[in-house]
Amino acid sequence: AQSVAQPEDQVNVAEGNPLTVKCTYSVSGNPYLFWYVQYPNRGLQFLLKYITGDNLVKGSYGFEAEFNKSQTSFHLKKPSALVSDSALYFCAVRDMNNNAGNMLTFGGGTRLMVKP
Amino acid sequence: GAVVSQHPSRVICKSGTSVKIECRSLDFQATTMFWYRQFPKQSLMLMATSNEGSKATYEQGVEKDKFLINHASLTLSTLTVTSAHPEDSSFYICSARDSRGGRSDTQYFGPGTRLTVL
Repeated sequence: AQSVAQPEDQVNVAEGNPLTVKCTYSVSGNPYLFWYVQYPNRGLQFLLKYITGDNLVKGSYGFEAEFNKSQTSFHLKKPSALVSDSALYFCAVRDMNNNAGNMLTFGGGTRLMVKP
Repeated sequence: GAVVSQHPSRVICKSGTSVKIECRSLDFQATTMFWYRQFPKQSLMLMATSNEGSKATYEQGVEKDKFLINHASLTLSTLTVTSAHPEDSSFYICSARDSRGGRSDTQYFGPGTRLTVL
């Protein structure tokens, strides 16, 4: 079975400060890892993914995430937060060795609040 | 690229009626589409996996006779909520997996459909 944990329901940060949204995962095989962002009453927008290769992945809107195999983590980061980054962020994992293959498992979501 | 649309974006219906929601991949072909349900302030729960030309695979606890899925083409999947009841009110989101090489690991999501059953 695969699972994802986002330990923080909400993260508050001041505009201009760095932000981190935490994610840890559990899979039996090798993971594909994703971050999505959701604005109110909207679907999910793809931010970035880790499949293989460099552990530091750069994505949309200045976001990046670092894959840490030993800690089974894939934290989302941004050096300088914007008020417009305020949204709901979801981490997701897919077990590339799983025959069910396509299924994404989502974390519970973390609400990011960036204050001016 | 990789745009997914949903129609309608919002629907209100009476209890006992059926509602069809369409999910389209606009600029790519998707052999596989997914249907999710999201309750307020909660994460997405996978309802079913829709495969073009074959029957959908439903997750445990999802009634296949209530949530009918059809994936008749490489760009369109439909979800029909039959005999809708107020407890079916939710935000339904579809996603599509780009079949093109190198992109097949990423799901792209539609904007969602808010269903309210009175």
